[in-house]
Amino acid sequence: LAKTTQPISMDSYEGQEVNITCSHNNIATNDYITWYQQFPSQGPRFIIQGYKTKVTNEVASLFIPADRKSSTLSLPRVSLSDTAVYYCLVGVHGSSNTGKLIFGQGTTLQVKP
Amino acid sequence: NAGVMQNPRHLVRRRGQEARLRCSPMKGHSHVYWYRQLPEEGLKFMVYLQKENIIDESGMPKERFSAEFPKEGPSILRIQQVVRGDSAAYFCASSHWGRTSTDTQYFGPGTRLTVL
Repeated sequence: LAKTTQPISMDSYEGQEVNITCSHNNIATNDYITWYQQFPSQGPRFIIQGYKTKVTNEVASLFIPADRKSSTLSLPRVSLSDTAVYYCLVGVHGSSNTGKLIFGQGTTLQVKP
Repeated sequence: NAGVMQNPRHLVRRRGQEARLRCSPMKGHSHVYWYRQLPEEGLKFMVYLQKENIIDESGMPKERFSAEFPKEGPSILRIQQVVRGDSAAYFCASSHWGRTSTDTQYFGPGTRLTVL
């Protein structure tokens, strides 16, 4: 499975837009990009998933350039409750893969008042 | 719609005892995954099960750990003769289709195991 690299930590202030970039140079043709959020003492929560270009839902947007070697999670107007660890995962969800997720260290986002 | 349920939420065991962790997947999900998270670390895959079958146990320690997902009832992660290094948060996730291209894994709240 493709390895991902993302910043260890980021700081932001309430109301700002936060962009977290993830590098995945070895992404395979069939790989999807998935982001999870984890609060302390809780299980990870699915945020967004995409394959190419742009995906948007009620929580975030995911931007994927044409070469797909990186992706950017965008959180609009963050609040204190967005303080969490954000994981970028790249993996094959197909018949040749068992679907296991490979988590890296994630990015710890600290939102300040 | 109940999410993934895990119990107990907290479990304390003494060295040498057995720990049994239970996971009930979301309704309609027949694929279960177990992950372990050591303090200050990321989640590590342990095992993937479908009903009555172990599909991938590449992340399971070779000794003392076992998992099952019977036809009826929750999935069980069993740790025999626990040691202090087993202290961690154990998360269960479930999905609907397992191997399809856009499937999503939904995680439970975890069981925090403390070995004294």
